[in-house]
Amino acid sequence: EIVLTQSPATLSLSPGERATLSCRASQSISTYLAWFQQKPGQAPRLLIYDASNRATGIPPRFSGSGSGTDFTLTISSLEPEDFAVYYCQQRNKWPLLTFGPGTKVDIK
Amino acid sequence: QLQMQESGPGLVKPSETLSLTCTVSGGSISRSSYYWGWIRQPPGKGLEWIGSIYYSGSTYYNPSLKSRVSISVDSSKNQFSLKLTSVTAADTAVYYCARNVYFDYWGQGTLVTVSS
Repeated sequence: EIVLTQSPATLSLSPGERATLSCRASQSISTYLAWFQQKPGQAPRLLIYDASNRATGIPPRFSGSGSGTDFTLTISSLEPEDFAVYYCQQRNKWPLLTFGPGTKVDIK
Repeated sequence: QLQMQESGPGLVKPSETLSLTCTVSGGSISRSSYYWGWIRQPPGKGLEWIGSIYYSGSTYYNPSLKSRVSISVDSSKNQFSLKLTSVTAADTAVYYCARNVYFDYWGQGTLVTVSS
């Protein structure tokens, strides 16, 4: 089973600041990684798929990078609506899928 | 615009079977290249993939749940369903249905509580 580790667990930042979230896989997953945003009481929303492709309607301040075992989600300048929990998810062993434990981005 | 909606009992007794249905609208569940999946989230915790099904009926399950899970599809109704047997309090969660491969469309989720 591929295990995903996300860091930090919590990231405290102010609006306008840059957020950098990390996801590390226990073995190489090529670029088969996605990022999701989840707000309280809502379903997750796909942000990035295949490591660096923005999903439909996702603003350009969200970007993804990485390959192999190390991946990064960057939010270039935090908007008030960006404070949420972010999950990474791998599909390298499709159709067996796993999610990371999440990173909470909260207001400093 | 594709929409997905979960339905089913919100309360299930321990040792019984949890049954949920996901109704898809705005697109055909039989369209090739898409899978249809179930994901759950215990209160205050992270996401867990339960399993996925192709419109042809091929199924794939999380190994940790495989012995208790069954997913089926009814293309005539544009629905797919989840059954989880022998439930315990640990199965209390919000259950989501979503379109694979990328989980780009999700239902709103439904809370299922396991309690006597």
